[in-house]
Amino acid sequence: NAGVTQTPKFQVLKTGQSMTLQCAQDMNHNSMYWYRQDPGMGLRLIYYSASEGTTDKGEVPNGYNVSRLNKREFSLRLESAAPSQTSVYFCASRYPGQGPLTNEKLFFGSGTQLSVL
Amino acid sequence: TQLLEQSPQFLSIQEGENLTVYCNSSSVFSSLQWYRQEPGEGPVLLVTVVTGGEVKKLKRLTFQFGDARKDSSLHITAAQPGDTGLYLCAVNSGGSNYKLTFGKGTLLTVNP
Repeated sequence: NAGVTQTPKFQVLKTGQSMTLQCAQDMNHNSMYWYRQDPGMGLRLIYYSASEGTTDKGEVPNGYNVSRLNKREFSLRLESAAPSQTSVYFCASRYPGQGPLTNEKLFFGSGTQLSVL
Repeated sequence: TQLLEQSPQFLSIQEGENLTVYCNSSSVFSSLQWYRQEPGEGPVLLVTVVTGGEVKKLKRLTFQFGDARKDSSLHITAAQPGDTGLYLCAVNSGGSNYKLTFGKGTLLTVNP
């Protein structure tokens, strides 16, 4: 049971370079999310996709783009990386449970540690 | 303004001690979740509390939802080194458009 798989695990970029972080889930979940985690800042939502074909901005979307390629895959792209984007990035998918307030939860990948020099 | 305030930010204790960490807000929530994150991994759900005053137990961990559904606490009895990690509280801030908002977390270190 792979769950949520993120690639790569580590990446170093120079300022201005571009890259795409890949995320795939095998649990047939509709909703997927991208978060970034910085020391002392907790997890902050970058973008999310409620279902295949839809994407919406979260709390910190500037400098990022996303693509919901199909139900399984949700990628995050940095077009021109900046040092402020140095962070650990987590992808997650949502298990909806049996309805509101019942067993719904997020499953997270193990993260991508990105450094922008 | 942070939706969820967690305290303390850091906690370092000896094995066998008891501890309580807190998650507070001025907003009312229909439910609140606690996640634990170990180094190099993503957060994993521990529990969801939904009713004001609710108490849930998970082995040595006791979770309580405040009567007014604005705050929650996590109490660990006889902490063990395996309890070391970042404890995060989280709420759905998007209504029907489910978006989980996290507190900044409490980083717990249990020393042998």
